Amino acid sequence: GDSVTQMEGPVTLSEEAFLTINCTYTATGYPSLFWYVQYPGEGLQLLLKATKADDKGSNKGFEATYRKETTSFHLEKGSVQVSDSAVYFCALTSGNQFYFGTGTSLTVIP
Amino acid sequence: EAQVTQNPRYLITVTGKKLTVTCSQNMNHEYMSWYRQDPGLGLRQIYYSMNVEVTDKGDVPEGYKVSRKEKRNFPLILESPSPNQTSLYFCASTPSAGLGVYEQYFGPGTRLTVT
Repeated sequence: GDSVTQMEGPVTLSEEAFLTINCTYTATGYPSLFWYVQYPGEGLQLLLKATKADDKGSNKGFEATYRKETTSFHLEKGSVQVSDSAVYFCALTSGNQFYFGTGTSLTVIP
Repeated sequence: EAQVTQNPRYLITVTGKKLTVTCSQNMNHEYMSWYRQDPGLGLRQIYYSMNVEVTDKGDVPEGYKVSRKEKRNFPLILESPSPNQTSLYFCASTPSAGLGVYEQYFGPGTRLTVT
């Protein structure tokens, strides 16, 4: 079945460090791919999305490129801030359902 | 303000006592969904609804029921809760037209403990 596999956490980085969170997927057809972010005590919010191969989603300095050949959608940010500390979820939609990864907790220290 | 609301936010109950978690959205979205979030397992879809009176099972529907009598409401029913249903539950909504195009809007979550 369809699924998402993302990098295990937790990840701890110093402020201004480079961030990569890996995400790969298995899906039939042509899924749309998403990154959602969850701040402590809150629901999930959409961070960025890509709807077809080679699309790049970007928002708030975060980027991810839909790579069909490697079935990947890795999240990157060039310089993280303390305010980026949160849990990040990779997700896909296939048919009428949504599938989420296990989440990666990021802590950024000053 | 566009939002998804859930009630209650916190609930502690005992095994076998029927409960309902309500979910309501004010964005006229057709698609609504329930998820549970568990450590190490991420979010898993329980049930979803494409529109009024149209519901379908997600990946982990056992022990849950839903109904969609009105467009704005999508309650989650646990007829006989068990301890393995202790979890953090999220309701979400999005337009049905092009599920991959629009974001899902999530509620604030309901933390359920079944003893």
